[in-house]
Amino acid sequence: GENVEQHPSTLSVQEGDSAVIKCTYSDSASNYFPWYKQELGKGPQLIIDIRSNVGEKKDQRIAVTLNKTAKHFSLHITETQPEDSAVYFCALGEDTGRRALTFGSGTRLQVQP
Amino acid sequence: DAGITQSPRHKVTETGTPVTLRCHQTENHRYMYWYRQDPGHGLRLIHYSYGVKDTDKGEVSDGYSVSRSKTEDFLLTLESATSSQTSVYFCAISEFGSGGAMRYEQYFGPGTRLTVT
Repeated sequence: GENVEQHPSTLSVQEGDSAVIKCTYSDSASNYFPWYKQELGKGPQLIIDIRSNVGEKKDQRIAVTLNKTAKHFSLHITETQPEDSAVYFCALGEDTGRRALTFGSGTRLQVQP
Repeated sequence: DAGITQSPRHKVTETGTPVTLRCHQTENHRYMYWYRQDPGHGLRLIHYSYGVKDTDKGEVSDGYSVSRSKTEDFLLTLESATSSQTSVYFCAISEFGSGGAMRYEQYFGPGTRLTVT
């Protein structure tokens, strides 16, 4: 099945700094790349997504970049705030077949005030 | 928040007992999924459904069965619970527009924490 590697597994930054999380994958059929944020005791919540026909997407302080040739995509959070502290997951999806998501192993982001 | 509820939210059971987890949605979405979440593994797909009575296996389906008799309900059953099935279980829903493009994001429920002793 599809495999996605996510790095780093933990990330600690100072408030106001930027944070970058990267995921690499192998299946070129993947065409949907969402990022989820999970707070303690809650289900994952979609924060941004990108499709394969777009190279970059931005929503306020968060952005996602996609390099389909190199098969990697990244989450960028600028001007980090303590409330950004959470576990972040990347995922892959396809518009065919079961249309389920394959998840990375997660990154625990800690923003130090 | 998307209209997804999971029950129970917490359960402790003994090895060898049957367990059923319920996912209920009010969004009328066709697709429903069961994932399990374990440290270091992210979320892994157990089973999914693409309509009433239409289900299929995911990557970690051994020891689990599912049923969907109504659009709004998707049940996950552990026929004989084992300690390796101690996990947090998440239900998710999604819908797709014409041509296959994902029209809605995949919404997740609040999760069920299951402990098998």
